[in-house]
Amino acid sequence: KNEVEQSPQNLTAQEGEFITINCSYSVGISALHWLQQHPGGGIVSLFMLSSGKKKHGRLIATINIQEKHSSLHITASHPRDSAVYICAVSGGGSEKLVFGKGTKLTVNP
Amino acid sequence: GAVVSQHPSWVICKSGTSVKIECRSLDFQATTMFWYRQFPKQSLMLMATSNEGSKATYEQGVEKDKFLINHASLTLSTLTVTSAHPEDSSFYICSASGFRGRDNEQFFGPGTRLTVL
Repeated sequence: KNEVEQSPQNLTAQEGEFITINCSYSVGISALHWLQQHPGGGIVSLFMLSSGKKKHGRLIATINIQEKHSSLHITASHPRDSAVYICAVSGGGSEKLVFGKGTKLTVNP
Repeated sequence: GAVVSQHPSWVICKSGTSVKIECRSLDFQATTMFWYRQFPKQSLMLMATSNEGSKATYEQGVEKDKFLINHASLTLSTLTVTSAHPEDSSFYICSASGFRGRDNEQFFGPGTRLTVL
């Protein structure tokens, strides 16, 4: 069993829909990261959070430490949001990231 | 801020040759740089962690003589794939941490796609 599990693996939505991607982890962490990887391969760090909630534009990330669960929400989705979203955790005094397998999001116009 | 570049963005080489990939932090001094490898439709796999001026720490199963990492300065790390073979064909991504005290946050380069013929 992977230490970081994401769901769903694939997600197709219509433009404007509200999107939720989930991440569960089984290890103690110091931080959870949400990353976005575009088809060209480049990776962008969206959020790093250790508690509560963060918001940036149409993106919202939440984390529940007790339940070891995080969600990434995208409001008013747009085709340009189409990408692979990756959840990763760091902890144990190490900067090393443990990655989920990613969620491939396709937003159709 | 927190821009990380990689060069080249793609490279094709013949089997048996060596290929060097550069990773630079453009607007900050990176305390640590990480090298990842990604196979198609798979997640990133950490190959090694490097700190400026010291030897890289390789993950289990990664051949350090095959994947040479040099971290010569706080803004530059290089990965050299020696005697490349077709199975080394992959997408290689670096990341760097240490941007303005944002510890544990990694900023990723755009990646280098290596094809070995």
